[in-house]
Amino acid sequence: EVQLVESGGGLVQPGGSLRLSCAASGFTVSSNYMSWVRQAPGKGLEWVSVIYSGGSTYYADSVKGRFTISRDNSKNTLYLQMNSLRAEDTAVYYCASKHGRDAFDIWGQGTMVTVSS
Amino acid sequence: QSALTQPRSVSGSPGQSVTISCTGTSSDVGGYNYVSWYQQHPGKAPKLMIYDVSKRPSGVPDRFSGSKSGNTASLTISGLQAEDEADYYCCSYAGSYTLEVFGGGTKLTVL
Repeated sequence: EVQLVESGGGLVQPGGSLRLSCAASGFTVSSNYMSWVRQAPGKGLEWVSVIYSGGSTYYADSVKGRFTISRDNSKNTLYLQMNSLRAEDTAVYYCASKHGRDAFDIWGQGTMVTVSS
Repeated sequence: QSALTQPRSVSGSPGQSVTISCTGTSSDVGGYNYVSWYQQHPGKAPKLMIYDVSKRPSGVPDRFSGSKSGNTASLTISGLQAEDEADYYCCSYAGSYTLEVFGGGTKLTVL
């Protein structure tokens, strides 16, 4: 069964850092288009970042320069390093994959990040 | 990276049909046939319902259909059922730098 499981969320002060993890099973992270998508409380979905199978990375303007997406092929895990966190980064963060289609057909359960003093 | 425009809410009675629109620009919806739709129940992760404008993943009822005309994509749900009550989001590929853009979401109420 293909599955994504996020971890690493929590409460962090403004200006702080946090690293999210997304462990995959049933498929290979390095062979797929892997993204992070976030959802602020009561708000809609917002695409955050992507890492292509070839290693290219892209970011939404709202996080560019502060967030870094990466993967560990040996652990079959996707990461999101979040630095200089702001209150507006408070959200549930989902990892998602375009596994067999040009759409996000696999989603994790999400991990909550709260940025507050 | 402006979000795609969706109605905030739509409603319908069981058995009826509803259509949710998703309006973008020629740089996203109108420029590519990579529009997808997601269903999200409260507290749950989104679920893919439609991809490539009008294709359905296996397991998604054929009551769900998608289409596109110009810069506007649409999701139609026919034969509404109580379990269809959820939030629905459209998403479009938006080119090699913006990549993905979501709509603001539409809350579907089954009366």
